Amino acid sequence: EAGVTQSPTHLIKTRGQQATLRCSPISGHTSVYWYQQALGLGLQFLLWYDEGEERNRGNFPPRFSGRQFPNYSSELNVNALELEDSALYLCASSIGSDSISSYNEQFFGPGTRLTVL
Amino acid sequence: KNEVEQSPQNLTAQEGEFITINCSYSVGISALHWLQQHPGGGIVSLFMLSSGKKKHGRLIATINIQEKHSSLHITASHPRDSAVYICAVYGGTSYGKLTFGQGTILTVHP
Repeated sequence: EAGVTQSPTHLIKTRGQQATLRCSPISGHTSVYWYQQALGLGLQFLLWYDEGEERNRGNFPPRFSGRQFPNYSSELNVNALELEDSALYLCASSIGSDSISSYNEQFFGPGTRLTVL
Repeated sequence: KNEVEQSPQNLTAQEGEFITINCSYSVGISALHWLQQHPGGGIVSLFMLSSGKKKHGRLIATINIQEKHSSLHITASHPRDSAVYICAVYGGTSYGKLTFGQGTILTVHP
């Protein structure tokens, strides 16, 4: 069974441009999560999508946005790129949950390394 | 103070040694997740715990809900165990997301 896939592997942009990152979840998973791992800052939660809806959002500015498609794949868009957006962006997926308080194991993709020059 | 604290931050061991990595959290949680990240960046799930103890090969994870503490043990460590080990919790102040510790960098020398 295929795991979580992400594309592209690497992305180089210049300041002010827009970046689009893509994620395909494990078959049967309806939830997709996005995380940022900037150098020296550890992993931080960005966004959670489930069944096409944004369910939760981390402490990031509005220029970080995304969406989830009917096939449960997801896009993360970062507008007006800044140098500090350079990071590894990880996507994870899980089965959906009837209760927000219950945790379903998340499985991570290989990440997209975004470099902003 | 971070919600999730790991110790030690860096750990160096000789092949064959028994290794313990600790994780303390300050909030009530639904589950705790131990993750492994290799230099290429990919993250592998090791354990998901909500109580008790789990074992997989040379890896053992325990959690004490009352004390808000979890440990990851590696028996008979091997150089291929060299990686960053990350503790993450689900629940606390905000559901729908994992909150991560800062990671423990493990280096095992042959």
